[in-house]
Amino acid sequence: GENVEQHPSTLSVQEGDSAVIKCTYSDSASNYFPWYKQELGKGPQLIIDIRSNVGEKKDQRIAVTLNKTAKHFSLHITETQPEDSAVYFCAASRSGIKAAGNKLTFGGGTRVLVKP
Amino acid sequence: DGGITQSPKYLFRKEGQNVTLSCEQNLNHDAMYWYRQDPGQGLRLIYYSQIVNDFQKGDIAEGYSVSREKKESFPLTVTSAQKNPTAFYLCASTTGTGEKTQYFGPGTRLLVL
Repeated sequence: GENVEQHPSTLSVQEGDSAVIKCTYSDSASNYFPWYKQELGKGPQLIIDIRSNVGEKKDQRIAVTLNKTAKHFSLHITETQPEDSAVYFCAASRSGIKAAGNKLTFGGGTRVLVKP
Repeated sequence: DGGITQSPKYLFRKEGQNVTLSCEQNLNHDAMYWYRQDPGQGLRLIYYSQIVNDFQKGDIAEGYSVSREKKESFPLTVTSAQKNPTAFYLCASTTGTGEKTQYFGPGTRLLVL
C-alpha cells in the first residue's frame, strides 16, 4: 500500500518568513496530492491540491510543487501570518481508479507556529 | 465544513458499551469515509463506502462497524471490541466522478469513562 512521509513534524517561523513542508510517497500510481490545514479541535480543510500532470500550482501565498520522478511534493507558504498557525497534512491517492476507492493516505502532519 | 455534519461533538463511552457516531452530508456525494486521529498523529482510514449498501474495510477496521443505508448517512459504531477507542473521529465525503476532493466534517471526540 501507499506510505506517505512528512517532514518536519514541527516548524516555527517568524511572521513574514516562508514555511516549507515536504512529503514523499511510495506508490508510483498515486496521482492526486491534496494539502489540508487543521485547526485545534476542528476537521481538516483543503487548502490546495495538485494532480500528477502538473508540476506546480499556486494560490495567493500558498504553492505546491510535485516531482513525480522523485515521488516528492512540497507545500510553500510565503509571507506567513499568525493565522497560518495550525497543523498541516499532506496526502496521496490513486484518484479516478474505482478499485482504489479514492482513499487518501495521510502524512503524519506538521505543526506550524508563526511567531508575531 | 462543506455540508458535512457530525454528532455529537463529544461522546463518552463506558467499558463494554457500543456507541454510534453520526455522519450526514447534503452534498450529494457518493463516497464517504471514516478516519481516526490520535493526538499528534495523522489520519488513519477505518471504513469507506463508495455507494449505498456497500462498504469496505480501511487500515484499522477491527472493533468498528458501519452501515450505508442512505446516500447521505454513514454512521460508525465503536464496539466493545475496540479496546482503545479514545480518539478524534472524522468523517469525509467525495463525489463519485470528476473531482475527487475529500471534504471533512467537524469531528467527534470520543472519550472513555
